Amino acid sequence: DAGITQSPRYKITETGRQVTLMCHQTWSHSYMFWYRQDLGHGLRLIYYSAAADITDKGEVPDGYVVSRSKTENFPLTLESATRSQTSVYFCASSEPGLAGEETQYFGPGTRLLVL
Amino acid sequence: RKEVEQDPGPFNVPEGATVAFNCTYSNSASQSFFWYRQDCRKEPKLLMSVYSSGNEDGRFTAQLNRASQYISLLIRDSKLSDSATYLCVVRPGGYQKVTFGIGTKLQVIP
Repeated sequence: DAGITQSPRYKITETGRQVTLMCHQTWSHSYMFWYRQDLGHGLRLIYYSAAADITDKGEVPDGYVVSRSKTENFPLTLESATRSQTSVYFCASSEPGLAGEETQYFGPGTRLLVL
Repeated sequence: RKEVEQDPGPFNVPEGATVAFNCTYSNSASQSFFWYRQDCRKEPKLLMSVYSSGNEDGRFTAQLNRASQYISLLIRDSKLSDSATYLCVVRPGGYQKVTFGIGTKLQVIP
């Protein structure tokens, strides 16, 4: 009953380094999402995926890359980390329902600090 | 105008009080509405969906006013454990993407 997990939970890196945040879900949900949460902005969508090999940009995609080769995994890569990418990153998943009331289930988050 | 607007608070209320939050949305085509709860340094979790007819879950009541484009959350008999940030979430019809409000922080005081 793992649900949705993220790793690492905490990460400190330096400006210019590549960083990959992992997200894994065990429900076989079709949709997966990456958000960042910052004070004063709330949750903002970075990228989302409707199925394996289908991804699309969200509100703040610049500087990030995603892939989804398997339904259960949705890694987020910061190609060249910047200080402005210091944030808490949440992964979420959902499955479309007939009533449109589907819930997004969130992972525990990754706290990233870019020095 | 932001897609979803909430008063960030904090709302400081005594135990047992009734408190209400509103959330306005700008897209009149929005079809699904939710309240999520987020505890400090934790992930958001669904509190309740908001239906057109309004809905109640124990001490929590959610209402939707399409004409004025806002949703509300009423908490009766506040408990210390209700202290959290409440996120308003709006989804346009036909899409899985949702928009989160900034959240309203509630602090219930003994």
